[in-house]
Amino acid sequence: KNQVEQSPQSLIILEGKNCTLQCNYTVSPFSNLRWYKQDTGRGPVSLTIMTFSENTKSNGRYTATLDADTKQSSLHITASQLSDSASYICVVSAAETGANNLFFGTGTRLTVIP
Amino acid sequence: IAGITQAPTSQILAAGRRMTLRCTQDMRHNAMYWYRQDLGLGLRLIHYSNTAGTTGKGEVPDGYSVSRANTDDFPLTLASAVPSQTSVYFCASSATNRAFLAGDHNEQFFGPGTRLTVL
Repeated sequence: KNQVEQSPQSLIILEGKNCTLQCNYTVSPFSNLRWYKQDTGRGPVSLTIMTFSENTKSNGRYTATLDADTKQSSLHITASQLSDSASYICVVSAAETGANNLFFGTGTRLTVIP
Repeated sequence: IAGITQAPTSQILAAGRRMTLRCTQDMRHNAMYWYRQDLGLGLRLIHYSNTAGTTGKGEVPDGYSVSRANTDDFPLTLASAVPSQTSVYFCASSATNRAFLAGDHNEQFFGPGTRLTVL
């Protein structure tokens, strides 16, 4: 069964600290993995995308890693800011046509406190 | 309009009433989607459209219908709302639906959402 699991469910960190969010998946055949940021009351916005051959991708203070062998990804946030408070959703795309080729994690709710 | 918009922003609806959620995009994307997001369940696909004139069922289509008369608009209709349809609804669009093609990362762009409460 194609699934995407994220951990932790929620996380509270102090401003300026680093944190790492985890995503494990069983989606097959694999096409790509994307991390989205969803601010409260807004729609998700893409942060990074990685295909099978990529094992790291950065977007400013956000760095995503992918281990396609173990089917794990992480999103590392460096020097957190209050504006990083949001839900982070891992989405894995299967390599097949049709709208049902996207599998969503339930997200990690990050709260950055001053 | 820049990107993808949804209306209304929020709505409280009596059970049994009919409701249409509107979604419009100006990016000339071929594919459009409707999701619902519930606490602890993540985003679930309701219906989708790969191109104007075609629609398909997603993971949770019961109680919902869609139409795609043109490229830009993709309304979602609840014919007779029930309390279990209380949720936040997101419309999304992507250039294509062919995620596996090299260089085509099929990024979905999401609207701001509609918060629907059915009493």
